[in-house]
Amino acid sequence: QVRLEESGGAVVQPGRSLRLSCAASGFTFSAYGIHWVRQAPGKGLEWVAIVSYEGNSKYYGDSVKGRFTISRDNSRNTVYLQMNSLRPEDTAVYYCAKDGAAAGSNEPQPVDYWGQGTLVTVSS
Amino acid sequence: ETVLTQSPGTLSLSPGRRATLSCRASQSVSNNYLAWYQQKPGQAPRLLIYGASSRATGIPDRFSGSGSETDFTLTITRLEPEDFAVYYCHQYGNAPLTFGGGTKVEIK
Repeated sequence: QVRLEESGGAVVQPGRSLRLSCAASGFTFSAYGIHWVRQAPGKGLEWVAIVSYEGNSKYYGDSVKGRFTISRDNSRNTVYLQMNSLRPEDTAVYYCAKDGAAAGSNEPQPVDYWGQGTLVTVSS
Repeated sequence: ETVLTQSPGTLSLSPGRRATLSCRASQSVSNNYLAWYQQKPGQAPRLLIYGASSRATGIPDRFSGSGSETDFTLTITRLEPEDFAVYYCHQYGNAPLTFGGGTKVEIK
């Protein structure tokens, strides 16, 4: 079955950096885009970024553009989120999520599987 | 950016009743690429509806989605105890992708 496992969450000071990882299994990893979505404590969902199946296309939400970088290693079935210049408002559970559209599909699909999330706390 | 506004913020209903949740978009959602998710405390979201009205795999038929362009609705007929949760709408047709603020369905 599809499995997504995030790691790397921690408590960090404002201005510092952190890298999250997402290890995937149970599907053809190299055929699907992968998202990061976050959820601040007690708040709603916020889309953060997506990397395409081959890693060439990347898109970001406005609140993280220029500070966060998404990447993937298809040989390791892993996606990364490099977070720089962290701010207190970046405090959240970060979910890794599989896009529903397979490579070559012309029809966008929503996220269909989610990991359990990893907590990032930005505080001095 | 397509802003999604969900209403009401909280819906208090008894089991067996019908729940109607609304999601309004600030601009037309491309090709009705609108999804609904359910989230329970401490859990990741679960996909219920995609393409505004198609049920995801394994989702009971008491869940249904409708609407187009800027106005969408999630209906839960006959609430079951396991349906009390937070529900989010999500548009995946216009970049950047966005989520609504959520509707909490609680037991009255």
